[in-house]
Amino acid sequence: DIQMTQSPSSLSASVGDTVTITCRASRGISNYLAWYQQKPGKVPKLLIYAASNLQSGVPSRFSGSGSGTDFTLTISSLQPEDVATYYCQKYNNPPMFAFGQGTKLEIK
Amino acid sequence: QVTLRESGPALVKPTQTLTLTCSFSGFSLSAGGMCVSWVRQPPGKALEWLALIDWDDDKYYNTSLKTRLTISKDTSKNQVVLTMTNMDPVDTATYYCARFYYYYAMDVWGQGTTVTVSS
Repeated sequence: DIQMTQSPSSLSASVGDTVTITCRASRGISNYLAWYQQKPGKVPKLLIYAASNLQSGVPSRFSGSGSGTDFTLTISSLQPEDVATYYCQKYNNPPMFAFGQGTKLEIK
Repeated sequence: QVTLRESGPALVKPTQTLTLTCSFSGFSLSAGGMCVSWVRQPPGKALEWLALIDWDDDKYYNTSLKTRLTISKDTSKNQVVLTMTNMDPVDTATYYCARFYYYYAMDVWGQGTTVTVSS
């Protein structure tokens, strides 16, 4: 099975900063990579699909890039409401649609 | 408007079988590309993908849990059922169902249902 590895596992940044989270697949997955945001005590929310496509209603400060094995989620102009855990997920083909282990983002 | 809602027991005993139902509206699981997936999250831990069923009744399972999981659908009732056998305390988690629309990933999630495994 393809493994998804996120880094860092946690980070702390200041309001207004640009934050980058990376996700690496153990084998190529084309662009079948999604990013989710889960705020404390809440349901996961789709941010980005197909590596770089912004889900409807998601602020434009969120962006995604990458293809193959290496992907990034970038949050520009970090806001207090962006405090959350972020997960990547590969979905190129079954049987597994594995998630990364998550990146917990805090505000300094 | 697409909605999904999970239902099932809040408490199960070790070795019992868990049956969860995902009731959905706003889309048809008969439509090409439509799927429903289950995901769980133990307290304080990461998301774990469990299973998926697609519009063509193809079924896919987490390889680590495959022997314990069964997913099925009732298109007429707009429901997807997940069963997990031989429950253990480590299976204590919040269980979510989500719509998976091929290429668009899991775009709509249910609120989740919390399952505790304890004697």
